[in-house]
Amino acid sequence: GENVEQHPSTLSVQEGDSAVIKCTYSDSASNYFPWYKQELGKRPQLIIDIRSNVGEKKDQRIAVTLNKTAKHFSLHITETQPEDSAVYFCAASWAGGGNKLTFGTGTQLKVEL
Amino acid sequence: DARVTQTPRHKVTEMGQEVTMRCQPILGHNTVFWYRQTMMQGLELLAYFRNRAPLDDSGMPKDRFSAEMPDATLATLKIQPSEPRDSAVYFCASGLGQGGFGNQPQHFGDGTRLSIL
Repeated sequence: GENVEQHPSTLSVQEGDSAVIKCTYSDSASNYFPWYKQELGKRPQLIIDIRSNVGEKKDQRIAVTLNKTAKHFSLHITETQPEDSAVYFCAASWAGGGNKLTFGTGTQLKVEL
Repeated sequence: DARVTQTPRHKVTEMGQEVTMRCQPILGHNTVFWYRQTMMQGLELLAYFRNRAPLDDSGMPKDRFSAEMPDATLATLKIQPSEPRDSAVYFCASGLGQGGFGNQPQHFGDGTRLSIL
C-alpha cells in the first residue's frame, strides 16, 4: 500500500518568512495530492491540492510543487502570518483507490512574531 | 456552503457502554470515510464506503467497532463495548470518488470528541 512520509514534524519561522513542508510517497500510481490545515480543536481543511498531470500550483501565498520522478511534493507558504500557525497534513491517493487518502504524520507550524 | 455534519460533537461515557457516532455526508458525495485522531497516531483511517458499500475496514478493531451506511445520507460508527483507549476525536469525511483523475477532495466534518472513563 501507499506510504507517505512528511518532514519536518515541527517548524518554527518568523512572521514574514517562508515555510516549506516536504512529503514523499511510495506508490508511483498515486495521482492526487491534497494538503490540509488543521487548527487546534478544529477539523482538517483542504487548502490546496495538485494532480499528477501538473508540476506546480499556486493560490495566493501558498503553492505546491510535485516531482513525480522523485515521488515527492512540497507545500510552500510565503510571507507567513500568525494565523498560518497550525498542523499541516499532506496526503496522496491513487486512481484505483476509491478516493482513499494516505496521510502524512503532520507538521506543526508555528509562526512567531 | 455544503458541509459534513457529525453528531454528537462531544461524548463522555463510561467504559463498557455502547457509543454511536453519526455522519451526514455532503449531498451528492459517493465516498464516506471514518478517521480517528489521537496525539500519538495522527489521522488513522478506520473504514470507508463507496456508493454505500464498505470498501475497506481493515483499520478498525472488528471485535468492538462497526461501521454502516443505512442510506446515502447517513453513516454510523459504533463501538461496543467502549474502552478508555478508544478516547479520541473521530472524524467523518466525504468526497466524490470517480477514479482516474476524477478523485475529488475529501471534506471533513467537525468531529466527535469521545472520552471513555
